Amino acid sequence: KNQVEQSPQSLIILEGKNCTLQCNYTVSPFSNLRWYKQDTGRGPVSLTIMTFSENTKSNGRYTATLDADTKQSSLHITASQLSDSASYICVVSPWTGGFKTIFGAGTRLFVKA
Amino acid sequence: GAGVSQSPRYKVAKRGQDVALRCDPISGHVSLFWYQQALGQGPEFLTYFQNEAQLDKSGLPSDRFFAERPEGSVSTLKIQRTQQEDSAVYLCASSLPLDRVQETQYFGPGTRLLVL
Repeated sequence: KNQVEQSPQSLIILEGKNCTLQCNYTVSPFSNLRWYKQDTGRGPVSLTIMTFSENTKSNGRYTATLDADTKQSSLHITASQLSDSASYICVVSPWTGGFKTIFGAGTRLFVKA
Repeated sequence: GAGVSQSPRYKVAKRGQDVALRCDPISGHVSLFWYQQALGQGPEFLTYFQNEAQLDKSGLPSDRFFAERPEGSVSTLKIQRTQQEDSAVYLCASSLPLDRVQETQYFGPGTRLLVL
């Protein structure tokens, strides 16, 4: 079982609508949780970084939340645009030694006109 | 440079062939990471360099995989005797870092490797 599970696997929404993507993790303890956006054929781009003590972090129309008690994070996208069509990946960095980061499989978002 | 660059962007290899993938990180970035991303999956950690030192290679799947960063800037990921299961996108990322908790990794576009 992957230590970082994302849902839904894919999502189709209409332009202008809001959506929320989910990330459940079992990695514990962890130093930070990040959300990345990955366009097709490109490398991931960082959207938000939250430490274990933070509850929310915003970046424009993107707002990430973190509940360390339930080990859940969400990424809320407001007023979606066609350019938001991409994969959104949740990444958790374990607190233990080493530099390994654990990526979820991503949620594939399609925004339709 | 403006960002992390990787070359080649695409590589087709015959099974058993050796390949070398290059990563040019952002100038001045201390940390460099390699990841393997299978189709439809998230990236998986391969190895980490701090300057020229390879501090973590726990993600390398076998001894056929070898990475180096001899002068602390450009890095090369080498795969010997490639096999079909090595087909994936290989991503490189670099970071300053400001600190390990808040560091932002900047990713290159990846090299898509197809082993026939």
